[in-house]
Amino acid sequence: DTEVTQTPKHLVMGMTNKKSLKCEQHMGHRAMYWYKQKAKKPPELMFVYSYEKLSINESVPSRFSPECPNSSLLNLHLHALQPEDSALYLCASSQVREGWETQYFGPGTRLLVL
Amino acid sequence: DQQVKQNSPSLSVQEGRISILNCDYTNSMFDYFLWYKKYPAEGPTFLISISSIKDKNEDGRFTVFLNKSAKHLSLHIVPSQPGDSAVYFCAASAGSDKLIFGTGTRLQVFP
Repeated sequence: DTEVTQTPKHLVMGMTNKKSLKCEQHMGHRAMYWYKQKAKKPPELMFVYSYEKLSINESVPSRFSPECPNSSLLNLHLHALQPEDSALYLCASSQVREGWETQYFGPGTRLLVL
Repeated sequence: DQQVKQNSPSLSVQEGRISILNCDYTNSMFDYFLWYKKYPAEGPTFLISISSIKDKNEDGRFTVFLNKSAKHLSLHIVPSQPGDSAVYFCAASAGSDKLIFGTGTRLQVFP
């Protein structure tokens, strides 16, 4: 089983709003990830949590704040976003497959910042 | 610096024929390679992977070939089906949690 769930599916927010994206996996995967994807571009890594600790931050602006409350949950808190932050936000978790870490993605949250 | 490149932005193939998607990389430290399929407004779906100790891996209609000396990998889909129409990303890893993605190839399978 490699299911990663994300909520909400769509989100519209103003530049002064605070909102959160949620990601869940119940497969006991060690690592969880946030990516951002713009149209016709590959996913861009934002954050990696390994064993519930932040291990990679790809110089993401502080208006994005990740949180990992437990091994199954990953949140992305959003505050004072800009219109250029509108994108598909993807969560992933990884599983060892034939000895190699393989990432599995959720369906994404499509975010529109007005 | 684009470490993983997919030089063909699009590919059109007739149903039943073979689709060949290509990917080149520059970093010789990459040791694990993956292919993902993506429909619009959905998350990428893992398709198949290959480690640097192999040169071929098969899963049903999908086969991935790795040529380490040329730093090149390819995904073969045989036979191609209309449902295979999507964007395909190759990705590479150098033993860390970071995946480096190519820019994607849009495959269209027509009847």
